[in-house]
Amino acid sequence: KQEVTQIPAALSVPEGENLVLNCSFTDSAIYNLQWFRQDPGKGLTSLLLIQSSQREQTSGRLNASLDKSSGRSTLYIAASQPGDSATYLCSINAGGTSYGKLTFGQGTILTVHP
Amino acid sequence: DTGVSQDPRHKITKRGQNVTFRCDPISEHNRLYWYRQTLGQGPEFLTYFQNEAQLEKSRLLSDRFSAERPKGSFSTLEIQRTEQGDSAMYLCANPGWGEGTDTQYFGPGTRLTVL
Repeated sequence: KQEVTQIPAALSVPEGENLVLNCSFTDSAIYNLQWFRQDPGKGLTSLLLIQSSQREQTSGRLNASLDKSSGRSTLYIAASQPGDSATYLCSINAGGTSYGKLTFGQGTILTVHP
Repeated sequence: DTGVSQDPRHKITKRGQNVTFRCDPISEHNRLYWYRQTLGQGPEFLTYFQNEAQLEKSRLLSDRFSAERPKGSFSTLEIQRTEQGDSAMYLCANPGWGEGTDTQYFGPGTRLTVL
């Protein structure tokens, strides 16, 4: 059974800092990994999706990497802003008969203060 | 806005009442997923549909829960005889289309509070 762990559980940084959120998973047989953002009381917004054959994806100030063999992914946020404050969730899509059924970590709560 | 809509956004009910939630996915993509998220946790898979067929149900989905997807379009999730432990955010999702097929798009969720 796939288990996903995110570290740290919470992070508070001053505006402008670069930061890294970590995600680890126990089963390396994945189809893809997707990072989401969730604002309080809201649904999930997709940030980046990395296919199992890829090493990283970039979108603006965000960069996500994937090391399937070690079961790790990182989300790098450059020059953080108060608007980045949210919960960040990492999810695994195992593919095959489980395609589309995502397994999530518990999330990292990020606070960026001015 | 992901294009996935859910109704209602908030529901407060008394223990023992029945509630029904609705999800309208992006167009008529053949797969639709339901998740439950409790406070401080990531979403957990409940069930999914391919067209109108319900293909998998999680152990989290007790006999009090039922889901349908008539005609493979919108979906409903009903909880009978609600309990306080049912209080959570209920999310639905479906994959994108074209080049974004692997990306999962989530609705805004229905937050259920059982008093």
